Amino acid sequence: GQQLNQSPQSMFIQEGEDVSMNCTSSSIFNTWLWYKQDPGEGPVLLIALYKAGELTSNGRLTAQFGITRKDSFLNISASIPSDVGIYFCAGQSQAGTALIFGKGTTLSVSS
Amino acid sequence: KAGVTQTPRYLIKTRGQQVTLSCSPISGHRSVSWYQQTPGQGLQFLFEYFSETQRNKGNFPGRFSGRQFSNSRSEMNVSTLELGDSALYLCASSQQGGGTPSTDTQYFGPGTRLTVL
Repeated sequence: GQQLNQSPQSMFIQEGEDVSMNCTSSSIFNTWLWYKQDPGEGPVLLIALYKAGELTSNGRLTAQFGITRKDSFLNISASIPSDVGIYFCAGQSQAGTALIFGKGTTLSVSS
Repeated sequence: KAGVTQTPRYLIKTRGQQVTLSCSPISGHRSVSWYQQTPGQGLQFLFEYFSETQRNKGNFPGRFSGRQFSNSRSEMNVSTLELGDSALYLCASSQQGGGTPSTDTQYFGPGTRLTVL
């Protein structure tokens, strides 16, 4: 099935460092979502973006909806050990349709 | 508000058997979507139900089916299980489904881990 290009695939960082990951698509999306998944659990919504150019923050997390509607990025500032997990981007072409997911970015944080 | 709940959390079946998974959406949510997550394919959309009707369907064989009840709870069924059906099956609910983008945001349950031997 269709998937988004999410990068990087994995990151190994030190506690306190900033992190950036992004997703690109060949298709236009009207909604971009960022989820975090811990082992054995379902994805938890971090940030939802509904307008091109929108920049939204949730604590130490900041995400942007690209102007072209074909990309989005997620930044995490001052990482802490509990940020460890897999981060997924998801795009939705229109309300009521399926989410298309990236393959995920695995984040490891050493203290 | 309670989140999306899925039962059972873990299931072990053998090839050829069938299985039924259950999902209870967030109270007030009318749309339920199902996804399959595997290490190789990632998260893949199975189908979506709204008001007891299947509105969207992903690219999965007919062995995968689902239904939704009048209280918005949903079940999915997989018949004639194959080894490749081993996966984490995730259910997500949204408030309206097809309405404004914000009310269509999907919230996931913890998933059911299905292992086929």
